[in-house]
Amino acid sequence: KAGVTQTPRYLIKTRGQQVTLSCSPISGHRSVSWYQQTPGQGLQFLFEYFSETQRNKGNFPGRFSGRQFSNSRSEMNVSTLELGDSALYLCASSLFGVGSYNEQFFGPGTRLTVL
Amino acid sequence: SQQGEEDPQALSIQEGENATMNCSYKTSINNLQWYRQNSGRGLVHLILIRSNEREKHSGRLRVTLDTSKKSSSLLITASRAADTASYFCATDLNTGNQFYFGTGTSLTVIP
Repeated sequence: KAGVTQTPRYLIKTRGQQVTLSCSPISGHRSVSWYQQTPGQGLQFLFEYFSETQRNKGNFPGRFSGRQFSNSRSEMNVSTLELGDSALYLCASSLFGVGSYNEQFFGPGTRLTVL
Repeated sequence: SQQGEEDPQALSIQEGENATMNCSYKTSINNLQWYRQNSGRGLVHLILIRSNEREKHSGRLRVTLDTSKKSSSLLITASRAADTASYFCATDLNTGNQFYFGTGTSLTVIP
């Protein structure tokens, strides 16, 4: 069974631009969560999608948004990029979501650098 | 704010020794999961322990959970150089659909 895939793996953008990251979950998994990892803040929960609906959102500004498609693939968008958005963005999938006893499986991440 | 805190922040041991790292959290949980991360890569799921379980084993890994103290420990026995990584605990809160990571323990296993 293929694992969680994320594209692109690396991205360089400049301040003010916007970016879209993509995540394909494990086949059959319906929940996709996004996390931001930075040296200063560690791993922080962005949001979780289940069956195309955002079920929960972390404490991030509205510049961070996402969506999930009917095939469970998910995209995350960051608009008006700031230097502080430079981070490793991780996507995780699970069968039913973080509220159950399911394990979350992570992708390799997308490393975003904002110049 | 972070839900979990790992202790120690960094640990350096010789190959063959055991490594123990601890995780404390703040609120009641559904389950607690441990992950390994190699040098800025994705996280590898190691083990999940449910709130009604006290101990779980998987190969060289042993995890304990004490819900009264809101803490968990991860023991890696007979460590290998390949175990060098950062280890994180993550809690799935009782409120549902919330998943928080601790600050991580950086483990170095010296060959």
